[in-house]
Amino acid sequence: AQSVTQLGSHVSVSEGALVLLRCNYSSSVPPYLFWYVQYPNQGLQLLLKYTTGATLVKGINGFEAEFKKSETSFHLTKPSAHMSDAAEYFCAVSAYGGEYGNKLVFGAGTILRVKS
Amino acid sequence: NAGVTQTPKFRVLKTGQSMTLLCAQDMNHEYMYWYRQDPGMGLRLIHYSVGEGTTAKGEVPDGYNVSRLKKQNFLLGLESAAPSQTSVYFCASSYGTGGTDTQYFGPGTRLTVL
Repeated sequence: AQSVTQLGSHVSVSEGALVLLRCNYSSSVPPYLFWYVQYPNQGLQLLLKYTTGATLVKGINGFEAEFKKSETSFHLTKPSAHMSDAAEYFCAVSAYGGEYGNKLVFGAGTILRVKS
Repeated sequence: NAGVTQTPKFRVLKTGQSMTLLCAQDMNHEYMYWYRQDPGMGLRLIHYSVGEGTTAKGEVPDGYNVSRLKKQNFLLGLESAAPSQTSVYFCASSYGTGGTDTQYFGPGTRLTVL
């Protein structure tokens, strides 16, 4: 069965500082991994995803994530935080072919606060 | 394209009342999903559909029913609302059967059951 753990329910950074949001996964099959962002009072929007191939994945808004199989991690980073990055971020693993079709298994989420 | 839309955006119910949440997508996606979002728990799958006329249970299906009479619509029903169903409900859709497919989410429905 697949599962996701996001370390830190709240992360606070200063504007211009590095953003690092941590995600560890567990999967019995080769994982497909996703990061979604949710801005206040909105739905979830895909930031990036890893399927196969290059382990460093670039997404929208300057975010990227690196798949590390040996560490079962898929941490999200951005070199320089912007005020507009303040949102909740969800890591998810695809439970494809499993009991629930191709559902996503989500982590609990990390709220990113950006200080001016 | 509107993408995925949800109706209504907000609703307050009394315990025991019923209601239906409507999800519509204009991307011709086969798969549709209903999730609920609760603080500190991420999103959990309620029901899903792999095509018109088909539905299946997810992780937390109790107290909910669904129907997919048209490919573009996926309805979520609460027959007798309970306070434990206070949550934000999200609908999503995806194109195909592969686990790599991106799910596209609607804006959510915030439901409060008193």
